[in-house]
Order: sequence, then C-alpha cells, then structure tokens
Amino acid sequence: DGGITQSPKYLFRKEGQNVTLSCEQNLNHDAMYWYRQDPGQGLRLIYYSQIVNDFQKGDIAEGYSVSREKKESFPLTVTSAQKNPTAFYLCASSIERDEKLFFGSGTQLSVL
Amino acid sequence: SQQGEEDPQALSIQEGENATMNCSYKTSINNLQWYRQNSGRGLVHLILIRSNEREKHSGRLRVTLDTSKKSSSLLITASRAADTASYFCAFRRGGSNYKLTFGKGTLLTVNP
Repeated sequence: DGGITQSPKYLFRKEGQNVTLSCEQNLNHDAMYWYRQDPGQGLRLIYYSQIVNDFQKGDIAEGYSVSREKKESFPLTVTSAQKNPTAFYLCASSIERDEKLFFGSGTQLSVL
Repeated sequence: SQQGEEDPQALSIQEGENATMNCSYKTSINNLQWYRQNSGRGLVHLILIRSNEREKHSGRLRVTLDTSKKSSSLLITASRAADTASYFCAFRRGGSNYKLTFGKGTLLTVNP
C-alpha cells in the first residue's frame, strides 16, 4: 500500500526538550512538506524539500529543523527554541510542484 | 495575510441538501485545489482547477474558478452525513515554487 506514514500519532514534549516527528513515504515523490495546523488557523508551511539533500524554509520555520538524507524520509525536529509547539503537524508529498499533495495522518504534539 | 479565505467558516445543513463553500485569494495563481479533512486526520485531495479553467466536476463535486474576482466555489450536491468534515482551498501563488497556501477552512456539518 503506497502512502505517507507519520509517527508517532501523539507526542508530548517537556520544556527545553527537542523532539523529532517522523515522516516516511513510499510513493517515490520528490517533494515533501511539513505543515503546522492550529485550530482556526488553517495550515502553515514550516519547511519543504524538492529533492534529497535540499530543503527550504517555509513561512514559520523558526524553532524547527529538518533533514532530507533519503528520498523517502523527511523528519521534523521541534527544538526548544519553538516556544509554542502545541499543534497538529502534517507531512505531505507531491510528484511535482503543480500537482496535488498527499498527506499523512498527522502528529499531535503537546507540551507537558 | 497571503492565506486564502473560506466563507462561511461553518455550515450546517440537512442530508440531501447542497452545500456551497467559497474561497477568495489575493494574488495571481497557477491552480486552485480543494481538500477535505476529517477531524484529527490528514487532508485528502478532492479536485484541482487550473487558472485557464472555469468549471470542473468530479462526482457530486462541482468547482468553479473566477480569476477576475479571485474566487472559487465548491459545491457538494445531495450531501450525506459522511460529507461532514472541514474543507480547505489551497493555491500556489504565481512565482512561488512548490509552496501551496491554504485557507482557514469551512467546517461542514451534515445532519442526518
């Protein structure tokens, strides 16, 4: 079954802690994205990657970091510099820039 | 804000009725897409309409695009309780690579 897998589904962060959200796809898509969703705010782009070993900041990259060492994987680290990390995080991929996005099922991050 | 704006923010209808949601944007676009999100889940792509198209159909969905008014509408005909979800428009701003901008969404509730 082709698709995007995000893990974990729920994640809790302690103050000062870095946490990493996993995103894996087996769709052979070149482009991958991370979005943050807050209630009533829609989706906001954190980072995106068009190709392996390359990624670009989105609209709200501060306090986040990513890597793209493999085509299939695009992990997101929420660093301690992100002071308001509680949100629903969505990973997506696409085959080319004009076409539709395929989304994972999301990770809900909360602060303890 | 560069986000799209959906209207209304929330819509409640009875099964069998039609539901219309609107999306407005401020910049030139290459295409506009509509996505659906069930509560706590990832987004699912519904339909894409290109800037040179005026109307598109897919099953019970009808999308229109008016580039002169910078607006789009999504019509769901003969709605079902299973259509209950949030609906988002998304567009790629002219000149931006790989970046889809999402609206804040319309929450549709279809009552049995």
